[in-house]
Amino acid sequence: EVQLVESGGGLVQPGGSLRLSCAASGFPFSSHEMNWVRQAPGKGLEWISYIGENGNNIFYADSVKGRFTVSRDNAKSSMYLQMNNLRPEDTGIYYCARYWYYYASMDVWGQGTAVTVSS
Amino acid sequence: EIVLTQSPGTLSLSPGERATLSCRASQSVSSTYLIWYQQKPGQAPRLLIYGASNRATGIPDRFTGSGSGTDFTLTISRLEPEDFAVYYCQQYGSSPYTFGQGTKLEIK
Repeated sequence: EVQLVESGGGLVQPGGSLRLSCAASGFPFSSHEMNWVRQAPGKGLEWISYIGENGNNIFYADSVKGRFTVSRDNAKSSMYLQMNNLRPEDTGIYYCARYWYYYASMDVWGQGTAVTVSS
Repeated sequence: EIVLTQSPGTLSLSPGERATLSCRASQSVSSTYLIWYQQKPGQAPRLLIYGASNRATGIPDRFTGSGSGTDFTLTISRLEPEDFAVYYCQQYGSSPYTFGQGTKLEIK
């Protein structure tokens, strides 16, 4: 079964750090570009980061640039999001999503992990 | 940055009716990279339409995507109870890969 499972969310104080993980299974992880998308409580979807198959190409939304770092370990079929200097507006559900060139879209999503930034 | 504006914000319809959702881009988007997702409460988004008009695997044919350039439309021909959800368009043509703000389709 094709699956993505996020972990690492939790409660953190403003200015703190968290590292999210996304574990992939059921497909050749190293052949797929990956993304992080987040959703603030009661709000819409916000794309925040992209990483190419080999980690060579990386993009960020302006809202997280300079604070968040995406990486991947193809040997472990995993992607990561290191989040530093967290702000209350970073609160939300964080989803990892697989990009498939055939669909030119994000066709597989994880169930999400919740991040709360509050004192 | 390409801004996607969805309308209406909320659409109130009854089962069996036809729904028309709009997604307008601030600049031209290749149809290849215009995508529609469906999201139900407490769930992750689900791929609905890719390439502006192609249904993803398992998506019923009552869902139709159309449009080009800056104007795209998602049409649901006859609403079923399970179709009431939030719908997002997204462009994956140029970073940042922006989403529209969503259209909530609610039962009238």
